Formats: sequence, C-alpha cells, structure tokens
Amino acid sequence: DQQVKQNSPSLSVQEGRISILNCDYTNSMFDYFLWYKKYPAEGPTFLISISSIKDKNEDGRFTVFLNKSAKHLSLHIVPSQPGDSAVYFCAANTGNQFYFGTGTSLTVIP
Amino acid sequence: ETGVTQSPTHLIKTRGQQVTLRCSSQSGHNTVSWYQQALGQGPQFIFQYYREEENGRGNFPPRFSGLQFPNYSSELNVNALELDDSALYLCASSLRQGASRKTQYFGPGTRLLVL
Repeated sequence: DQQVKQNSPSLSVQEGRISILNCDYTNSMFDYFLWYKKYPAEGPTFLISISSIKDKNEDGRFTVFLNKSAKHLSLHIVPSQPGDSAVYFCAANTGNQFYFGTGTSLTVIP
Repeated sequence: ETGVTQSPTHLIKTRGQQVTLRCSSQSGHNTVSWYQQALGQGPQFIFQYYREEENGRGNFPPRFSGLQFPNYSSELNVNALELDDSALYLCASSLRQGASRKTQYFGPGTRLLVL
C-alpha cells in the first residue's frame, strides 16, 4: 500500500518558468515531510523539508507548501534552471520510518 | 567532512546465495537507515540502526538483517536471495539530535542483481 504518491512520473518546464511538483499522502500520522533530488548514479540529496505544524517553508528558489486537510504537498521551483533536471522524491516521516513516493522526473528545457 | 560511502557499487549473485553490503556513515552521524529501491519505485525503508541496535523496521522479512558498528559503519545482510531482491540498496545516515534527526544523507547505493 503506497502511503505517499507522486502521480506525475515526469514534468517538462522551460528555463526561467515555475516548476510545480506534487505529492499526496494517506497517513494522517505523518508529521514531517521532505523533498529529495536524485541525479543518475547518485543517492538522493536532501532539498527542503516542512513540519506538519507549518504550511509553507521557503529556501531560496525552493518553496514547499503543505495542505494537511487535503493531505497534499507541493514543491515550487522558481525560476527553474537546467541544473534542476533530476528525479524528485517526496518523503513523509512518522517515528523512525520514512516513506517515499515513486518520484517525478523533471526536465528543464534551456 | 566525508560523505556517506557504500561498497560495492555493483554486485551479481545467484538465487539462494547470501550477500553483505557495506556503508560508512557521514562523519559524526550516529544513525543509519537502509532502503531498497526497485526499478521505477521510490526507496522503501528496510530498517534503522542507532547505537548498534535496530531501531525500527519496515515490511521486510527476517532474512534481511543488519549490523551497526561502534564507528557507526553498517552492514546489510540478505540471506536466501530471491530474484525480487534485485534492486538498488541505499544507506542513509543522520544525527539523532533535535531536528537534525529528520534529515538523512544518502550514499550512492549498491546495485544488486540476483540471477
């Protein structure tokens, strides 16, 4: 049973525009959410996180939004750059366990 | 500060064999988690070790076992390998202290192929 879902396997965006990656979850016990970026042949790299007590967290070009009532979070990248092209995973945490989505492959077109 | 390293990078085994994968945590990190990532899937949590004790386990059978050593390096052992065990195995280290415990740093992974 997939508790964290990323329903868009891929996304293409023009350089300079906004990239919006979406993630849905089912477990209301999740209290911390993270986004990771993964390049080929590398492990996932931590990008940004948000606690369930907040609805927004911003770090430079990256902003994560959390809508607890909808059990939905999104990652906004503005402006998108070619170097952002990678697979993005959202993850949710409760206790010592982390649950990952299946990833969204982002391509930023120069 | 050294990052998380894993060995070997690639491995081929046959069904029924046993395998040991190794991970060296990031300097100063006292917690290590292991994940299995099948093709086209996200990482799935196998278990976590803290201070050499298992500290949480996902939905994996007992033939998946681990060890954490005093220097915080770690091993993942898989017995009686099955074809479905073919995957990328990731280890991630973190510091179990305050908010930092939530941020994991991943190694590049070990690609295991079971024939």
